[in-house]
Order: sequence, then C-alpha cells, then structure tokens
Amino acid sequence: NAGVMQNPRHLVRRRGQEARLRCSPMKGHSHVYWYRQLPEEGLKFMVYLQKENIIDESGMPKERFSAEFPKEGPSILRIQQVVRGDSAAYFCASSPTRDSQAFFGQGTRLTVV
Amino acid sequence: TQLLEQSPQFLSIQEGENLTVYCNSSSVFSSLQWYRQEPGEGPVLLVTVVTGGEVKKLKRLTFQFGDARKDSSLHITAAQPGDTGLYLCAGVRVGGYQKVTFGTGTKLQVIP
Repeated sequence: NAGVMQNPRHLVRRRGQEARLRCSPMKGHSHVYWYRQLPEEGLKFMVYLQKENIIDESGMPKERFSAEFPKEGPSILRIQQVVRGDSAAYFCASSPTRDSQAFFGQGTRLTVV
Repeated sequence: TQLLEQSPQFLSIQEGENLTVYCNSSSVFSSLQWYRQEPGEGPVLLVTVVTGGEVKKLKRLTFQFGDARKDSSLHITAAQPGDTGLYLCAGVRVGGYQKVTFGTGTKLQVIP
C-alpha cells in the first residue's frame, strides 16, 4: 500500500505564475488535509477536504489559494499569482475516516523566484 | 487560536545523554501526538496519547500526557545520533476530525 504521494517534490515558480500541487491519498482514504510549513516556522493547517467537499478551509489565505478533491484523481492545492512569501513546504495528509489517524506525504517544496 | 509551545527550541547533546522536550498549551485537546520530521521529509507519527496522565513508551522514548490534557513531555534515554531531527507535538481538537495544531518544534542534534 503506497503512502501519500505528493508531486512535484520541488517546484520553482516566478512571481505572478500559478502553482499547482498534487496529492494522491493512500488507497481507501477519502479525507485529505493540507498544511503549510514556512521557513523556520511550524506546520499550519490550511484546509480539510472530503471527496468533492471542502469541510474546513479556516487556514486558507482568503485570496489566491484554492483547493479541490474531485471524485476521481488527486487533491489539488492551487496558488495563483504566487509571491515570494508563498515559498514554503506544503504537506498533504490523508485518512480513511474522519476520526482516524492521518498520514503525511513527503511534501512539495515551492520556491518563488 | 490554540497554541502549543515547545521547549527547548534547540537542543544539542552528546550521544548517551538523556533529554526531555516539553509541549505546553492553555487549551485542552482530545489527544496529543508526537511526530519526528527529518530534513526534506514529512512528519512521521511516533505516538498518540489520549488519556490524561497517560504514559507511553517506545523503546528509549517515553511520552506523557498531562492530567489536564493540556501539556505533554517526551523523554529520550541514552540519545543516539539517529534520534537527530525535528520533534513536533500536535494537538487534536476535542470532538473533531484530524485537524491538527502543531507545536513550535524542537530541533534535536545528537553528537556522536
């Protein structure tokens, strides 16, 4: 059973471009969480999704950020018009049910130049 | 906002020494998790403590959850270079899903 797969592992974008981060949850997991880890800071919750639904987006910046978890395919975290301050490691975690332990992927490291 | 403060922030010790990392909050959590994160990798769960006063052991690591479920500690006996990493405590909110509030982290370096 493969773990949570995130790609790409590293992503470089110029200011103003769009970044699309993908997360394939573990097999059988329908709950996905996204976290952001800024340099020298802790991990911060961004959004919680269950297939086709956003359950909790209280940690998402109000502008430029969006997330989806379609019926088929990976969860996508999309950042439009990236700025230098978006440079961070973005982690996805998945769980099979609402209350069970979530497992983390290896993260996508976004660098905005 | 639920905050989890960890201390110390940085710790550099010699192989064989013992150490304790603390995780404190003013909020009550339904459970508390400890993770270890290596550079360039995602956090890996070490343990979950659920009951106030609970103590769990994982080889040389001992985890304790405070009686009031607001704080926790991680004690490592006879540290080894392989223990080097970033240790994160994380609180799971009462009655909710796995939305986790992470602590500020403790960077541990064990020198051979």
